[in-house]
Amino acid sequence: SYELTQPPSVSVSPGQTATITCSGDKLGDKFACWYQQKPGQSPVLVISQDNKRPSGIPERFSGSNSGNTATLTISGTQAMDEADYYCQAWDSRTAGVFGGGTKLTVL
Amino acid sequence: EVQLVESGGGLVQPGGSLRLSCAASGFTFSSYAMSWVRQAPGMGLEWVSAISAGGGNTYYTDSVKGRFIISRDSSENTLYLQMNSLRAEDTAVYYCARVAHSNSWYPWDVWGKGTTVTVSS
Repeated sequence: SYELTQPPSVSVSPGQTATITCSGDKLGDKFACWYQQKPGQSPVLVISQDNKRPSGIPERFSGSNSGNTATLTISGTQAMDEADYYCQAWDSRTAGVFGGGTKLTVL
Repeated sequence: EVQLVESGGGLVQPGGSLRLSCAASGFTFSSYAMSWVRQAPGMGLEWVSAISAGGGNTYYTDSVKGRFIISRDSSENTLYLQMNSLRAEDTAVYYCARVAHSNSWYPWDVWGKGTTVTVSS
């Protein structure tokens, strides 16, 4: 089955750039997307189709996807960005696949 | 306002059944594929099942194949998940989610608040 791997945690200082990676076999051949989930809330789509920001998502969120790795970048990270982040893709055999999630701490 | 509202969760014994519902409003329900995604307590997101806009195509994660059935009623703007032979490991918050673009299976840009399923004796 297809798997996506994320680091369990990432820490960043306020105002700095946070980078969260997501690895999967030939992930660059698929569209990757990213969701933000805060405690007790439903997930929110923050990056669609590798690098597209849905309406209402701040410009500081960006994405890329190439080779075996997709990357979520948060520039000028704010305290409100502290959350769990999940990458996701669709595989022809496994269908919907999420990464294990990364807890972003802003300290 | 585009909205999804799940219902039907609860406490059920192992081996039992539940049917989850997801009421959609604010958009043309029949034009969008839909999915169920679950999250076990303290764990990450897990995709469970998807159904095409017309209902003719369905997908399931391996762990629920043969036990869960996804369906939709466009006349009622409602998505369903029939869950049979429930196991303790099915305990989770179940979210329904709408695909962001018609004619695709993902990503999901509208999510409900979830309904909690607890499988325990």
